[in-house]
Amino acid sequence: QLQLQESGPGLVKPSETLSLTCTVSGDSISRSGYYWGWIRQPPGRGLEWIGSIYYSGGTHYNPSLESRVMISADRSKNQFSLKLSSVTAADTAVYYCGREQSGTLMGDCWGRGTLVTVSS
Amino acid sequence: EIVLTQSPATLSLSPGERATLSCRASQSINRYLAWYQLKPGQAPRLLIYDVSNRATGIPARFTGSGSATDFTLTISSLEPEDFAVYYCHHRQHWPESFGPGTRVDIQ
Repeated sequence: QLQLQESGPGLVKPSETLSLTCTVSGDSISRSGYYWGWIRQPPGRGLEWIGSIYYSGGTHYNPSLESRVMISADRSKNQFSLKLSSVTAADTAVYYCGREQSGTLMGDCWGRGTLVTVSS
Repeated sequence: EIVLTQSPATLSLSPGERATLSCRASQSINRYLAWYQLKPGQAPRLLIYDVSNRATGIPARFTGSGSATDFTLTISSLEPEDFAVYYCHHRQHWPESFGPGTRVDIQ
């Protein structure tokens, strides 16, 4: 059974870089046909797609965040990571990592999320 | 970029009633549309994928329908655990996006 676990600092200072890691068990991030991605939910607001990395390494990002975001993968650890630079209070949110399936949404699955607060 | 809008923003209903949630896309979506249920402290739960297919373990009271730019999630008879926020989500092309959500409240 697929399990996704987000980890990282719960508090980040303004202008610094937010870094989160997603540890995957029950599947391989190298499996053909899947993306591994991040979404977030600011307090009191809806879900926002951040970006994803394909099993082969290609990435796609939300244009509104593209200048500040990077998603990378460590296949030896079966993990993928999110880095968001120059954060402000507007980046305070619950961040979820997940799996997306190419060609269908059938295999989509998300973790329970982790709250990251941007504050000095 | 495809923008998803959802209506109504809030639906106040009683257990046993029927809920009809709408999602409208700014451009045509072939089939890459899903519905999620979100509750505080929980993972987003995939209910419907590819417009009308129920995900594994989802009760039959949840039904997805629609085509092109207009999509609907119907909950035939609300159970107490169904009161939550529901989001539609597309992956027709990048960037993916979510609708703003519909909150289903207990009346």
